[in-house]
Order: sequence, then structure tokens, then C-alpha cells
Amino acid sequence: AQTVTQSQPEMSVQEAETVTLSCTYDTSESNYYLFWYKQPPSRQMILVIRQEAYKQQNATENRFSVNFQKAAKSFSLKISDSQLGDTAMYFCAFMKESGGGADGLTFGKGTHLIIQP
Amino acid sequence: EPEVTQTPSHQVTQMGQEVILRCVPISNHLYFYWYRQILGQKVEFLVSFYNNEISEKSEIFDDQFSVERPDGSNFTLKIRSTKLEDSAMYFCASRTYWTPNEQFFGPGTRLTVL
Repeated sequence: AQTVTQSQPEMSVQEAETVTLSCTYDTSESNYYLFWYKQPPSRQMILVIRQEAYKQQNATENRFSVNFQKAAKSFSLKISDSQLGDTAMYFCAFMKESGGGADGLTFGKGTHLIIQP
Repeated sequence: EPEVTQTPSHQVTQMGQEVILRCVPISNHLYFYWYRQILGQKVEFLVSFYNNEISEKSEIFDDQFSVERPDGSNFTLKIRSTKLEDSAMYFCASRTYWTPNEQFFGPGTRLTVL
């Protein structure tokens, strides 16, 4: 079974600063995907960024980027130029690659990110 | 842009009652999922469904839960006899065959069991 650990229950930064959210995972799988989801107060789950484990290059999506360290089983999210709208819960998630199967996502407990004006 | 929809947005029920939560996945998607999130906790996988049968299920998905795709568009989660601890947000998600790394989530149904 997989586990995902987010060690920062809450973080607070000033608007326009850069913030990094930590995530570590444990798995015996060699092929898998990692994700960061954002959950604003509306509780909708929004995909922020994803990474395939076989790719060495770190994923980036505009102001969001990841630092994927496969050997260390670490998958941190960096948010640059943070904005008030980034205030939300952020969940790290893992999914094994199952060749056409329908495995679900395993989520961490989340980090509550607060962007201060 | 197509999206996953869920109804109702909020359901209140009495303990012991049956509830059915409804989801309409994106039309060309073939894999369907249910997750739940107890308030203040992490999102947990319940079940996945493909080709009209359950593909995977977690230990949470016991005999009181069932899923169905009754008419080719809806995907439902039934809880037979609700308990207080079933109070949670329930999310439906779906994906295409070709993009295993992209599940689209619905807005969720908040279930309150009194």
C-alpha cells in the first residue's frame, strides 16, 4: 500500500512571495503518477500539476512547479509570486500506473496555505 | 468545457435511511470513481468502476455501499443504511481510457447524517 505524507498542516506567506509545500510518499511501485490538488473553500478539487515518475524533468504550470526527487520519494510544490486566490488546502496525491486499470488516488492530509495581503 | 456534475449539492438524512448520490461523468469518459472526505480530513478513495463493474475498492467500501451506472449517463453511489460517521463530502470523478493520469472531479455532495 502507498502512503503520502504532508508534514506542514498550515503555512502562511505574504502576497507575491514564493512558497514551497512539502510531500513525501512511500511505495514499492516503480511506475506511478504524482499530483498536487487545490481545494478552495468551495471544496471543489482542482488539479494544479502532475508528474509522471518516469520523467526526470520537473513539471511546471505557469507559477506552479514541482521538485521531484524519485530516490528520496519527495514531491514538493513551489508557488511563485503567490496570489490571494492561491489561499486553499493543497493535497499531494499518488496513483500507481496500472496499465489500463482504474486505481484510485491516495491523498495526503493536506496543507492549508494562507496568502496574506 | 465539459465537467462532472453531482446532485444534490447537499443531502440531509436520518441515521438508518438509504441515500443515493448521483453523478454525471463527462460524456466520453469510461472510468468512474467515488471518493469521500470527512470534514477536516484527507480525501479517501472508495471505489472505481469500469466496463459496468467495480474495478477497485477500498476497505471503506463495505457491504453498505454500492455503485451503479443505471442508464449510460448517470453514475450513482448508494449507502443502504446511513450511519453518523458517513457524514462527509462525496466526490465523483471520471477519466478517459487514454489519460490515466487525469481524473476530473465533480463539485461534491455534502452528506449530513443526523
